[in-house]
Amino acid sequence: AQSVTQLGSHVSVSEGALVLLRCNYSSSVPPYLFWYVQYPNQGLQLLLKYTTGATLVKGINGFEAEFKKSETSFHLTKPSAHMSDAAEYFCAVSSRSNDYKLSFGAGTTVTVRA
Amino acid sequence: DAGVTQSPTHLIKTRGQHVTLRCSPISGHKSVSWYQQVLGQGPQFIFQYYEKEERGRGNFPDRFSARQFPNYSSELNVNALLLGDSALYLCASSLAAGVNTGELFFGEGSRLTVL
Repeated sequence: AQSVTQLGSHVSVSEGALVLLRCNYSSSVPPYLFWYVQYPNQGLQLLLKYTTGATLVKGINGFEAEFKKSETSFHLTKPSAHMSDAAEYFCAVSSRSNDYKLSFGAGTTVTVRA
Repeated sequence: DAGVTQSPTHLIKTRGQHVTLRCSPISGHKSVSWYQQVLGQGPQFIFQYYEKEERGRGNFPDRFSARQFPNYSSELNVNALLLGDSALYLCASSLAAGVNTGELFFGEGSRLTVL
């Protein structure tokens, strides 16, 4: 079964600094990988996803993630943090066969310091 | 256009009671999924329905059930509530059946507290 592990439950960055959120997956076959963001009292919003093809995926709000099969990783980055990036971020995985569900990591809360 | 709407937004129940949560998908979306998000954890998959048929079920007890209506809205029912059922219940809709081919759009959730 597919699963993801997010390293670090809390990340604090200064405004303008690099945001790096780590996600490692476990899958016997190449999975589909996703990053979602959840703002306080809101539902989840898709930031980006990797299916096939280019391993560097660009998403909304300046975020991007790189699929690295050799490292079984799908880390999320943003070059320059903005105050509005403060939220909880979830990495998720689905399988190519049982594509009816997403399996989410535990989440990483991002705090942005002025 | 309206997004995914869920009701009620907050509710409090006592152990042993029953609860019904409702979800209206985005217009035109035929797939509805339910997820449970316990405080401090990521969402856990409960059910997916597409065209009124159950496509998948997560690792939840039979106390959890769901259905999808002809207008594609959905209900999640939980019987014999336990304290551990306290969580945010998220509904998501999509055009396509598979999460890989379509984007899931999430509602803001129904926060259930069981006392």
